[in-house]
Amino acid sequence: EVQLVQSGAEVKQPGESLRISCQGSQYNFINYFITWVRQVPGKGLEWMGWIDPSDSYINYGPSFQGHVTLSVDKSISTAYLQWSSLKASDTAIYYCARTNYYDSGKRTDYWGQGTLVTVSS
Amino acid sequence: IQMTQSPSSLSASVGDSVTMSCRASQSIGDNLSWYQHRPGEPPKLLIYSASNLHTGVPSRFSGSGSGTDFTLTISSLQPVDFATYYCQRTYSTPRTFGQGTKVEIK
Repeated sequence: EVQLVQSGAEVKQPGESLRISCQGSQYNFINYFITWVRQVPGKGLEWMGWIDPSDSYINYGPSFQGHVTLSVDKSISTAYLQWSSLKASDTAIYYCARTNYYDSGKRTDYWGQGTLVTVSS
Repeated sequence: IQMTQSPSSLSASVGDSVTMSCRASQSIGDNLSWYQHRPGEPPKLLIYSASNLHTGVPSRFSGSGSGTDFTLTISSLQPVDFATYYCQRTYSTPRTFGQGTKVEIK
C-alpha cells in the first residue's frame, strides 16, 4: 500500500532552524508531486506548495514564498520542508501528500500522518 | 482565486442528508476536490473533478457543480462522518482550500 511517513513532532525555540521529512513508499516516487499543507491549531488547511521529485521543480504558495524551503532526495524517496529561522507563528501541523499532477483529476490522494511543529520560548 | 465555503458549520443527526457549498471567485471548470478531515487524522480525499468519487469512498458522498458553484452532499450521515469538510481548487496554483464546513452532531 502507498505510504507517506513523516518525521516526528518537534519542539523548537524562535530563531532555530528545522527540517522535517516525508518518505514515500510502495509507488514510483518520481511520478507524483509532493504537496505540503499547513494547519495552524484551530484553523483550516493552507496549501504551502509542491515539489516535483523528478526535476525538483517547486511552486510555493504566496504566503510561504521566502519563508520555507522545499527539497527532495529522490534516491531515498524523501521530501523535506525546511525553515532557517522559526517563528512562533510557525506552530502548526504540517502534512505532506502525494499529488498526481498529470492525472486529469489532479488528485491529492495519499497523505502523511502529519508532523506537529511547536515553536515556543 | 478565492474559495468560499458555506455554511461554516452545521448540526445534523445520524441518518440526515446534508449539503454544503463551495464557491470559487472565478470559474474553475470542474477542477475541484473535496476532503474530509477528522481531528488527529490526515485529510482524506472524497471527490475529485467535482463529481467523481475517489476509490473506496462510500456512495453516500456525492459532489456536483462546475464553473463557480459546487456542492457536497452526504445522503445519510453516519457517526464517522462528523468532521470538517474542505473544498480545494485543482486548477493552477496556488491550490487554494476553502475555509471548511464543520459537521457537528445535533
